Parts: sequence; C-alpha cells; structure tokens
Amino acid sequence: NAGVTQTPKFQVLKTGQSMTLQCAQDMNHNSMYWYRQDPGMGLRLIYYSASEGTTDKGEVPNGYNVSRLNKREFSLRLESAAPSQTSVYFCASNPNYSNQPQHFGDGTRLSIL
Amino acid sequence: GENVEQHPSTLSVQEGDSAVIKCTYSDSASNYFPWYKQELGKGPQLIIDIRSNVGEKKDQRIAVTLNKTAKHFSLHITETQPEDSAVYFCAASAAGNQFYFGTGTSLTVIP
Repeated sequence: NAGVTQTPKFQVLKTGQSMTLQCAQDMNHNSMYWYRQDPGMGLRLIYYSASEGTTDKGEVPNGYNVSRLNKREFSLRLESAAPSQTSVYFCASNPNYSNQPQHFGDGTRLSIL
Repeated sequence: GENVEQHPSTLSVQEGDSAVIKCTYSDSASNYFPWYKQELGKGPQLIIDIRSNVGEKKDQRIAVTLNKTAKHFSLHITETQPEDSAVYFCAASAAGNQFYFGTGTSLTVIP
C-alpha cells in the first residue's frame, strides 16, 4: 500500500537554482494537491488539480508551477528558488476534490541557501 | 476565503486524561470538517471527520463535535496514551472549494 509517494525526501538548493518535486499516487484518485507547511502556519495550498488535465492556483502559488502528467502523477516546479521557499512540501490526493478526505505523502524537506 | 483558527497551539496532558482541541471557521458554506494527526517526519493522516448534517461523531477514544450556529468544532481524545503525542490539524471545506487548515496543536501526553 504505497498511497502517495513523494521524491525526493530531502533537498538543499542554492538561490536561483531550479528543481521539480515529484508526486505519484496509486489510489486511482482524480484530485491532487500541493501544500507547503511552515512553522506556525499550518498547511497552505500552492496548486491543485481537480481532475486530470486541469490545474488551478491555491492560496500561495507565486514562484511555483505544476504539471499533471497523468492521473497518477502531479509535479511541482520551482523555476528560480528563493530562501522564502524553504519549507516542507506535501502532496495529497482524494477521489474527487472537495468534501472528501485527503491522503498525504510524507513530504519533501527543502532548504534554499 | 475561509479562515480557520485553532487553539491551543500546544497542549500537555497526563496519560489517561482527556485532551480537547478547538477550531472555529468563518465561512458558513463550509460543510466538511476533517481532523488530521501528524507524527514527526510524516505527512498528516486523517483520524476522524464530520459533515455538517451531524452534530457529533465518535470512533473509540476520539470524538468530534460540530456547532454550526457558532461555527466551531472540537476534537476530544479520552484516556490519552503516549502514542497520542503528535501535531493535530483541523480543516474545513465547502462543496466545490479547497480545504483550509488550522495552524496545528502540538499535543504531548506525559507518561
């Protein structure tokens, strides 16, 4: 039972570098999400994909891009990393967007120097 | 958009005592309220949820209550055990809308 798998688990970048965070789910869910978690701020939605072929901005999308590669995979890209993007990033999925439980991966811990 | 506030931010209880975490929300259209438990180094895991047509839901030692009029909902953990120590998050969503999370409560159960 893999559920939601995120890679890598840890990464250190220099300011200005680019990186793609990968996420895959094996539960045949339609909807997928990217959150960032910062101390004292809970989980904030960056982007989501309600269904394959669609993506929408969440609460904090600036500096990020996403790709819904297929039904299983949803990637998050930082084009030019900034220290303010140092955070723990979580991918989640659920069957059909709102009002259904989300299943989370174990996160990617990203530090930008 | 929705605003979810969660209190307290930290909570320490003796093993066997009860723990209560409270959340308020602002959008009266919100109708789904999940609670997540996050252990160190892991992602959040759903522990219980409640929908707006229900006032209370129980699952063994865990219960959630919802007061739609006052726009608040609470998590109750009875007979706490050391393995209940974790960070707990509440969330709220309305149909066709995203989830909004509280800022988390760090629960410590003292043996």
